[in-house]
Amino acid sequence: EIVLTQSPATLSLSPGERATLSCRASQSVSTYLAWYQQKPGQAPRLLIYDASNRATGIPARFSASGSGTDFTLTISSLEPEDFAVYYCQQRSNWVTFGGGTTVEIK
Amino acid sequence: QVQLVQSGPEVKKPGASVKVSCKASGYIFINNGINWVRQAPGQGLEWMGWIRPYNGNTNYAQKLQGRVTMTTDTSTSTAYMELSSLTPDDTAVYYCARDRVAYSSSSGWFDPWGQGTLVTVSS
Repeated sequence: EIVLTQSPATLSLSPGERATLSCRASQSVSTYLAWYQQKPGQAPRLLIYDASNRATGIPARFSASGSGTDFTLTISSLEPEDFAVYYCQQRSNWVTFGGGTTVEIK
Repeated sequence: QVQLVQSGPEVKKPGASVKVSCKASGYIFINNGINWVRQAPGQGLEWMGWIRPYNGNTNYAQKLQGRVTMTTDTSTSTAYMELSSLTPDDTAVYYCARDRVAYSSSSGWFDPWGQGTLVTVSS
């Protein structure tokens, strides 16, 4: 099973700041990686697929990069609605999710 | 718009089974796979498996093999997930989620998701 390790577990930032989230895979997943956002009491929402492609309707402040084992999600300037939990997911070998990064208001 | 609407909350006793439904609308049901993902209280996401409504092909997470069954009813555009031999560790919110890409032969990216169904297992 491919293990995805997300860091940090919690990111404390203020609105307007830049957020950088990391996802590391235990073996190469090529670019078969996605990012999801989940707010309390809601289902996850797809943000990024194929490592760097924004899903429909996702604002341009969300960007992502990486390939192989190291991936990054960047939120260029945090809006109040961006404070949430973010998960990475791979589909290179079955499907697994990372443990999540909570982006909280500082 | 594409929408997945799931059945309501369930309370089950240990050893029982639960069947959760997921009704799709806004697209051609047989074209996209349906995944099931669960989330225990305060925990992360766990993929349970995938079904291709076009032909009924399934892939189940190894951990749940033998306990989970995924089916579809193409006449009503509804997917079902049944989990048997429930224990308290199966207490979770269960989500269905559509594969983003049509005609795929395996699980892909999940978009959109249903609203979730809380299944509580308690004696």
